[in-house]
Amino acid sequence: QVQLVQSGAEVKKPGASVKVSCEASGYTFTSFYMHWVRQAPGQGPEWMAIINPSDGSTTYAQKFQGRVTMTRDTSTSTVYMELRSLRSEDTAVYYCARDRGRGQLDYWGQGTLVTVSS
Amino acid sequence: DIQMTQSPSSLSVSIGDRVTITCRASQSISSYLNWYQQKPGKAPKLLIYDASSLQSGVPSRVSGSGSGTDFTLTITNLQPEDFATYYCQQSYSTPPNTFGQGTKLEIK
Repeated sequence: QVQLVQSGAEVKKPGASVKVSCEASGYTFTSFYMHWVRQAPGQGPEWMAIINPSDGSTTYAQKFQGRVTMTRDTSTSTVYMELRSLRSEDTAVYYCARDRGRGQLDYWGQGTLVTVSS
Repeated sequence: DIQMTQSPSSLSVSIGDRVTITCRASQSISSYLNWYQQKPGKAPKLLIYDASSLQSGVPSRVSGSGSGTDFTLTITNLQPEDFATYYCQQSYSTPPNTFGQGTKLEIK
């Protein structure tokens, strides 16, 4: 069965960086795009980025351009999301989600809480 | 960017009721509209894709309709497991894949 397993919760200070991982299993990793979506407390989901695991090409939301990097490791079927220059407004649950086509996100990771606090 | 506006933001309903949630796009998105259900502490779950297609495993009392800019999610015969927050998401013009702000169903 398809599973996306994310790394554990993080607490960071303002200005620091965080790198969250998402390990995929149960399907051909390079056949499906992967998204990162975050959700601040009490807010709706916010789309951040997408990666094509086959060639590593990425697209980022303009809001995060220059601060976010999405990478993948095909040998371990893992995608990574690094967010730099963290501020308190980045406190959120970060999700990876598989795109089965046409932007339909059919499998999601369990979420990783990133807390930014001094 | 395309903006997605949901209404209402919350709804107080009873078991067995019929509920309709609306989602409006700031420009035409054809049928590139998906609906998700989210329960507290859990990831969103895909319910409806391409505006009206039911995701596998989702009960038939859930349905979606619409095209262009106006869309609806309807749930009939509300069950206890339906009390959650619902989000629409457009995937027509990406990036970004924008989500609505959500509609929370609460028990009356």
